[in-house]
Amino acid sequence: KAGVTQTPRYLIKTRGQQVTLSCSPISGHRSVSWYQQTPGQGLQFLFEYFSETQRNKGNFPGRFSGRQFSNSRSEMNVSTLELGDSALYLCASSLKASPSLMNTEAFFGQGTRLTVV
Amino acid sequence: ILNVEQSPQSLHVQEGDSTNFTCSFPSSNFYALHWYRWETAKSPEALFVMTLNGDEKKKGRISATLNTKEGYSYLYIKGSQPEDSATYLCAFKALTGGGNKLTFGTGTQLKVEL
Repeated sequence: KAGVTQTPRYLIKTRGQQVTLSCSPISGHRSVSWYQQTPGQGLQFLFEYFSETQRNKGNFPGRFSGRQFSNSRSEMNVSTLELGDSALYLCASSLKASPSLMNTEAFFGQGTRLTVV
Repeated sequence: ILNVEQSPQSLHVQEGDSTNFTCSFPSSNFYALHWYRWETAKSPEALFVMTLNGDEKKKGRISATLNTKEGYSYLYIKGSQPEDSATYLCAFKALTGGGNKLTFGTGTQLKVEL
C-alpha cells in the first residue's frame, strides 16, 4: 500500500511569489490535514479537508488556503510569500468512515521543505 | 488556546538505559492522545493512539500510559538502542470541534549513544 506522497520535496521561492504544494493520501483515506513546522515550533495545524470540504482551520492568515479533489488529493496554496513562511509542510491522511473511527492514527508524508528568499 | 507540553525537551542516554518522557494536555474535551516517533529525514510514524483513562500500550521495548483525569501521558523506552534516536511527539485530539485535528507538543529529542 503506497504511503502519503507529497510533492515537491524541496522548493525555493522568492518573497511575494505564491506556491502550491500537493499531497496524495493513502488510497481510501478521505481526510487530509496540513501542518507547518518552523524551527523551534511544534507542528502547527493549518487545515483539514474531508470529502472536498474544509472541516477545520488553524490560526493562519488568509494567504494560506487549500482544497481537496474528488480523488482525495489535496493542495495547499500560499500567496504573497513572506520570509517567515519558510518551513517544512507536512500533510497527513486519515481513514474516517464513521465517528467511531476517529481514533485511527494519522499517516504523514515526508513533507515539502519550502525556503523563501 | 489549547496547550500540549512535553518534557524534557531533549535527552542523551547511553545504550541500554531505560528512559521516559512526559506529555501533558488538557483534561477537558479529551478524545485521544497520539504518540509519534519522528526520525530525521523521515515521516512521523505513529506509535500509539490512546483513548481510555488508565490505558497502557506496548510495542516491543516502548510502552505508554495515559491519565486523562489529570491530563498526562508517559512514554517509556526500556533498554534504549541507537536506533531509538528520534524526536518523540505527542498530540491531543479533541472530543468536539476538532475533527481529525491534532495539537502537537514540541517533542522530546532523544539521542542514544553507544
